[in-house]
Amino acid sequence: NAGVMQNPRHLVRRRGQEARLRCSPMKGHSHVYWYRQLPEEGLKFMVYLQKENIIDESGMPKERFSAEFPKEGPSILRIQQVVRGDSAAYFCASSPSTGSSGNTIYFGEGSWLTVV
Amino acid sequence: DAKTTQPPSMDCAEGRAANLPCNHSTISGNEYVYWYRQIHSQGPQYIIHGLKNNETNEMASLIITEDRKSSTLILPHATLRDTAVYYCIVRVAQGAQKLVFGQGTRLTINP
Repeated sequence: NAGVMQNPRHLVRRRGQEARLRCSPMKGHSHVYWYRQLPEEGLKFMVYLQKENIIDESGMPKERFSAEFPKEGPSILRIQQVVRGDSAAYFCASSPSTGSSGNTIYFGEGSWLTVV
Repeated sequence: DAKTTQPPSMDCAEGRAANLPCNHSTISGNEYVYWYRQIHSQGPQYIIHGLKNNETNEMASLIITEDRKSSTLILPHATLRDTAVYYCIVRVAQGAQKLVFGQGTRLTINP
């Protein structure tokens, strides 16, 4: 039973390039969450998506960042024109749509973005 | 979601029980208590959750006070691999609500 799969695990981009991070949720999960963890800091919520819908993007930076979760395929977190401050670990998580005793959220192993 | 308060750090000897406290005095009736941990350079790992009854699984036990204003996560026989930051989070379970992480407790297991 595969967990949340993220790729790439490590990504190096030059300033100004684009970064695309992919996340495949656990089987049967239709909710995806993205979190960012800057070096030596805590986990910060970015965005929560269901299939084809953004439910909560209150943690997304206003510019350069976007996320999608299409009907088919993985969720994508896209960062345009990366800057050094975008260097961080990006974690994806997923949960089922409904549940009687709590919709437990499970995390992937993260994608580490380094901007040089 | 209600806020939680945890000690910033704790130490425990290997083989002993690690007891991690969490205060959530403003918890609502429909909020669960969740525990996650993050081992260095890894993704957060779900440990256990509960509403009002004590819970136990293969990883840990969760003790919730009767008034639900605090809880304790117990790792019965801590090993060096349990060294991590432990997060106590309260969250409404209906629907799919995001987790809001605080600073957690940095637990160090000493040999």
